Amino acid sequence: DAKTTQPTSMDCAEGRAANLPCNHSTISGNEYVYWYRQIHSQGPQYIIHGLKNNETNEMASLIITEDRKSSTLILPHATLRDTAVYYCIVRVPQAGTALIFGKGTTLSVSS
Amino acid sequence: DVKVTQSSRYLVKRTGEKVFLECVQDMDHENMFWYRQDPGLGLRLIYFSYDVKMKEKGDIPEGYSVSREKKERFSLILESASTNQTSMYLCASSFLGGTQYFGPGTRLLVL
Repeated sequence: DAKTTQPTSMDCAEGRAANLPCNHSTISGNEYVYWYRQIHSQGPQYIIHGLKNNETNEMASLIITEDRKSSTLILPHATLRDTAVYYCIVRVPQAGTALIFGKGTTLSVSS
Repeated sequence: DVKVTQSSRYLVKRTGEKVFLECVQDMDHENMFWYRQDPGLGLRLIYFSYDVKMKEKGDIPEGYSVSREKKERFSLILESASTNQTSMYLCASSFLGGTQYFGPGTRLLVL
């Protein structure tokens, strides 16, 4: 799996967009970008994933640069409940392989 | 919506006890996983199963066993609990090569 780099922490005001960056300069052509988050003492929650096109779902948007070396997760209107650790993972979807979480970004949303 | 449930959120056991952790998923996923999560060590794969009655060891299987008698249910067994098995245990499921979805986690304390 390609290595990812994320900022250790970020702050965001409630109601504003939260933009979480991830660098993955060694990503290979068949690796996808996945985002998960983990709220304190809960199991990780899948957010979104993509290969090269931008993706959007009810939770977030994923913007992947054209060279695929970085991406940004966008929470369009952050709420206090979005306070969590956000993990960017780059991997080839293979049966039976473990997810490897790095240190992630701790997002703190405040009112 | 994918739903992965775990039998307990919190569990306290004594050293030497046999401990059963159960996980149930309702999405007809072939793959199921057991991880443990410890501060500073991230997620570590204990076992996974790619079909009923099939299992593969992960990175840290020692001291654990698993059972998958039905497709929707994957059990983790601590044959003789020890204090170093105090941890957060996370179950996940996926289609073959697909996105892994996690349960809420079981926080186990072994005294």
